[in-house]
Amino acid sequence: EAGVTQSPTHLIKTRGQQATLRCSPISGHTSVYWYQQALGLGLQFLLWYDEGEERNRGNFPPRFSGRQFPNYSSELNVNALELEDSALYLCASSDRDRVRNEQFFGPGTRLTVL
Amino acid sequence: AQSVTQPDIHITVSEGASLELRCNYSYGATPYLFWYVQSPGQGLQLLLKYFSGDTLVQGIKGFEAEFKRSQSSFNLRKPSVHWSDAAEYFCAVGTYSGGGADGLTFGKGTHLIIQP
Repeated sequence: EAGVTQSPTHLIKTRGQQATLRCSPISGHTSVYWYQQALGLGLQFLLWYDEGEERNRGNFPPRFSGRQFPNYSSELNVNALELEDSALYLCASSDRDRVRNEQFFGPGTRLTVL
Repeated sequence: AQSVTQPDIHITVSEGASLELRCNYSYGATPYLFWYVQSPGQGLQLLLKYFSGDTLVQGIKGFEAEFKRSQSSFNLRKPSVHWSDAAEYFCAVGTYSGGGADGLTFGKGTHLIIQP
């Protein structure tokens, strides 16, 4: 069974540009979570999508947004990039037993903002 | 609000020695607790989880963790470490909002160094 996949592996942008990151969950999983892992800040919860809807978001500005498609894959968009957005962005998925919150992570997208 | 504290930023252990990584959590309800490991340049791999029941849980790669409600702790242990265990270890608590599970709240991580 394939795990969570993310693309691209690396992404280099300049300040002010937009970045789009993609995630495909494990087959059968309906929830997708996005996390930011920035140097010195640890892993921080960004967004949670389930059944096509944004269910919750962490303490991030509105320029971080995304969506979930009918096949449960997801996109994370970061607008007006700032230098501090440079980080590893991790996607995770979970199945309908969401009460237990067991999440499976992808390898991440390394975003570098110059 | 929930929080997770991993007091040790770095730990150095000799190969073959025992290991204990500390984790303390703060959460108002019954916690669902997790330990993940991250090797350089990689995503997170789930080592083990605690949902309920037996407070000593077994995971992959020979790891175990003990949930102690009175101490709000969920420490990770391994009796004998291998050089391949060198990695970053994260403790996390599952939180909930609305109708289901929410994002995980992670500790800052403990960087494990293995000495030959």
